[in-house]
Amino acid sequence: GAGVSQTPSNKVTEKGKYVELRCDPISGHTALYWYRQSLGQGPEFLIYFQGTGAADDSGLPNDRFFAVRPEGSVSTLKIQRTERGDSAVYLCASSLRPTANEQFFGPGTRLTVL
Amino acid sequence: AQSVTQLDSHVSVSEGTPVLLRCNYSSSYSPSLFWYVQHPNKGLQLLLKYTSAATLVKGINGFEAEFKKSETSFHLTKPSAHMSDAAEYFCVVSVNTNAGKSTFGDGTTLTVKP
Repeated sequence: GAGVSQTPSNKVTEKGKYVELRCDPISGHTALYWYRQSLGQGPEFLIYFQGTGAADDSGLPNDRFFAVRPEGSVSTLKIQRTERGDSAVYLCASSLRPTANEQFFGPGTRLTVL
Repeated sequence: AQSVTQLDSHVSVSEGTPVLLRCNYSSSYSPSLFWYVQHPNKGLQLLLKYTSAATLVKGINGFEAEFKKSETSFHLTKPSAHMSDAAEYFCVVSVNTNAGKSTFGDGTTLTVKP
């Protein structure tokens, strides 16, 4: 079956621009997670959704970052006024429920801010 | 609060010899613990998980881990390394009170020499 997909796989943008990163979770998974992975580090939690609502957004670094999941399936991570420090791989994962279940990860979007 | 420390950033073993990847955790509540593997240019994949059942957990590809509450450890082992085990390994903790928020360690790079 289809796994978690993320688009685009690579995104190069200029400092100050706006970007959107998309995640398609596994069908039927109610929980969806976003992480950011910088070079040489483990994934860093950003936000997770249970259904359409953001159950915990405590990992979002500042108000330039925002994520939505309007229909409880596809999610979009939005970054405004990008900075060079935003360059990283952005990972999305989904699980049946957010209760210590296995998270299934997508391949990630590599964001480069020039 | 929860945190994870992977004690070795790099581990190198010879093919056919045992593997030990060390992980210590800190958690205010009963934790769930996971090991994920990330092969180059591949997504993160779950190796095994501990969720308050048996303290010795068996995973895929011959890996296992033992939860030791007194030592706050969850070390990953394998009796005999295979070349295909070369990858990045992440130890992860989450707590049942906020199971959607997972904290990753910084990873251990496993090299397997022929």
